Amino acid sequence: NAGVTQTPKFQVLKTGQSMTLQCAQDMNHEYMSWYRQDPGMGLRLIHYSVGAGITDQGEVPNGYNVSRSTTEDFPLRLLSAAPSQTSVYFCASGPAGRDQPQHFGDGTRLSIL
Amino acid sequence: KQEVTQIPAALSVPEGENLVLNCSFTDSAIYNLQWFRQDPGKGLTSLLLIQSSQREQTSGRLNASLDKSSGRSTLYIAASQPGDSATYLCAPLKDTDKLIFGTGTRLQVFP
Repeated sequence: NAGVTQTPKFQVLKTGQSMTLQCAQDMNHEYMSWYRQDPGMGLRLIHYSVGAGITDQGEVPNGYNVSRSTTEDFPLRLLSAAPSQTSVYFCASGPAGRDQPQHFGDGTRLSIL
Repeated sequence: KQEVTQIPAALSVPEGENLVLNCSFTDSAIYNLQWFRQDPGKGLTSLLLIQSSQREQTSGRLNASLDKSSGRSTLYIAASQPGDSATYLCAPLKDTDKLIFGTGTRLQVFP
């Protein structure tokens, strides 16, 4: 049971570099989202998607782009990395409707130098 | 804007104790509330989901209650064990399936 898979698990970037954090789920969930977790601030929603071809902004979207071309995949792109984006990033997925829990990946630990 | 507060922020207890973790939220118009566990360096594991129409939900030694009108949820852990040591997060769900998280309660259970 793969669930929600995030890659890479760790990454170090230099300021100004770009990269894509990958997220894939094998549960045929309509809803997917990205969070960042910072000490003392809890998890904050970056972007989310309610289905293929549909994305929307969360609480802290600046500096990040997303797309959803398939139900399974929801990549998060950092266009020009900044030290303020150093964080742990979590991807989550859940079925349509609100009577089932959402599931999280193991996270990507990202450091921007 | 939904704000979620968890009290206490940290808790250290000997094993065997019954524990109460509190979660309060400012906007009571929620669909459900989910409790998660997070081990150090790991992702979030869903423990319990309680619907807005429910008063409580149980799984093994865990019991979650929800008082939607007062904006409060409580997670009870019975007969705590060292393996329960982790950070516990609550997250009410409002519109568009967006979970809003508290900063968590860090629990340590020592033998």
